[in-house]
Amino acid sequence: QKEVEQDPGPLSVPEGAIVSLNCTYSNSAFQYFMWYRQYSRKGPELLMYTYSSGNKEDGRFTAQVDKSSKYISLFIRDSQPSDSATYLCAMKGGSNYKLTFGKGTLLTVNP
Amino acid sequence: KAGVTQTPRYLIKTRGQQVTLSCSPISGHRSVSWYQQTPGQGLQFLFEYFSETQRNKGNFPGRFSGRQFSNSRSEMNVSTLELGDSALYLCASSLAPSSGVSTDTQYFGPGTRLTVL
Repeated sequence: QKEVEQDPGPLSVPEGAIVSLNCTYSNSAFQYFMWYRQYSRKGPELLMYTYSSGNKEDGRFTAQVDKSSKYISLFIRDSQPSDSATYLCAMKGGSNYKLTFGKGTLLTVNP
Repeated sequence: KAGVTQTPRYLIKTRGQQVTLSCSPISGHRSVSWYQQTPGQGLQFLFEYFSETQRNKGNFPGRFSGRQFSNSRSEMNVSTLELGDSALYLCASSLAPSSGVSTDTQYFGPGTRLTVL
């Protein structure tokens, strides 16, 4: 079993929709959880960074962490065509704190 | 402030050759991490350097190596290239080590697209 599982999609939604992106993980030592956005032909950029369980909101983006279920989510409200990108979850913790990524979900928001 | 730069952006090599990739971090950043990104495996951590010392290493064979210079610039070397080494190689920099308890943001470069024929 991979440490981090993420549905690769692709996910296609109409403009204005609420998008839900998810990752599950198996390593209970993970404490720091991140979401990155990667546009085509670009490097990933950090969107959200949360520590331990709970919610964090930043504009149209909300990150949720449920450590008891080993499940993290990213919600995008009022999605825009400019949100079309690959979204990667990442996490770290345990003995060496190496950053471990999910494979990414390709999102397309249609005008 | 200039972002992370990587050179070259594209590279084509043949099996058995070796390659060196370069990364210049954001000014003032002392941590540089390298990642390999492929469609099949996603983004995988290669290694991290902080103040010229390798701080952490992923699960890659010894053909993959790196180093960091006193000005924080970093190079990654892959020897005896294999077809499976074809990938996007990403470099990321941060103020503090990324493989630690720091919550410092890692900034990624655009990557070097390596194709092995």
